[in-house]
Amino acid sequence: AQKVTQAQTEISVVEKEDVTLDCVYETRDTTYYLFWYKQPPSGELVFLIRRNSFDEQNEISGRYSWNFQKSTSSFNFTITASQVVDSAVYFCALSERTGGYQKVTFGTGTKLQVIP
Amino acid sequence: KAGVTQTPRYLIKTRGQQVTLSCSPISGHRSVSWYQQTPGQGLQFLFEYFSETQRNKGNFPGRFSGRQFSNSRSEMNVSTLELGDSALYLCASSLVRGAADGYTFGSGTRLTVV
Repeated sequence: AQKVTQAQTEISVVEKEDVTLDCVYETRDTTYYLFWYKQPPSGELVFLIRRNSFDEQNEISGRYSWNFQKSTSSFNFTITASQVVDSAVYFCALSERTGGYQKVTFGTGTKLQVIP
Repeated sequence: KAGVTQTPRYLIKTRGQQVTLSCSPISGHRSVSWYQQTPGQGLQFLFEYFSETQRNKGNFPGRFSGRQFSNSRSEMNVSTLELGDSALYLCASSLVRGAADGYTFGSGTRLTVV
């Protein structure tokens, strides 16, 4: 089973629409960290947010918001009023302690295309 | 402050050759991790170095190796290149081991093996 599942491979929306990117994770740790990264066409992954397992508060940053629900092991990412510059591949990631090591696992990514 | 610097940005190599990629982390970051990204396999973890020691390794053959220097700069080496090694190689630095604080990524080195 995948540790981080991003079931949506590609999403297309029209500019100004809202879009939610799903992320479901699996871990046995009680202390873990969740992340979202953005990879625009230029290729460099950009850190967006970090959440630890004890903080279930939703977070909003401008047009971005994140919904963390431990009960469903989900950490979903919503972009409000999408813009063309939001077009990118978005990765969800999990950092957990496994086999004596703190290890990061990335999802397979969701490619978002915002059409003008 | 300066970001993570990877050199070179692009490389074209012939099958059977070897290649060395370089990564300079953010100042103060002691952990450097390497990833291989391909369209089919996504982001695959290669290894992590912290304080000049390899701390964790992914499922790659021994042709893939790395090292870290006392200034935290890291190099990755791939010997006996195969066509399947064509990929974007990303370096990421973090303050702590295992990147529980999050990664800062470089722009990557795009390697093409012909």
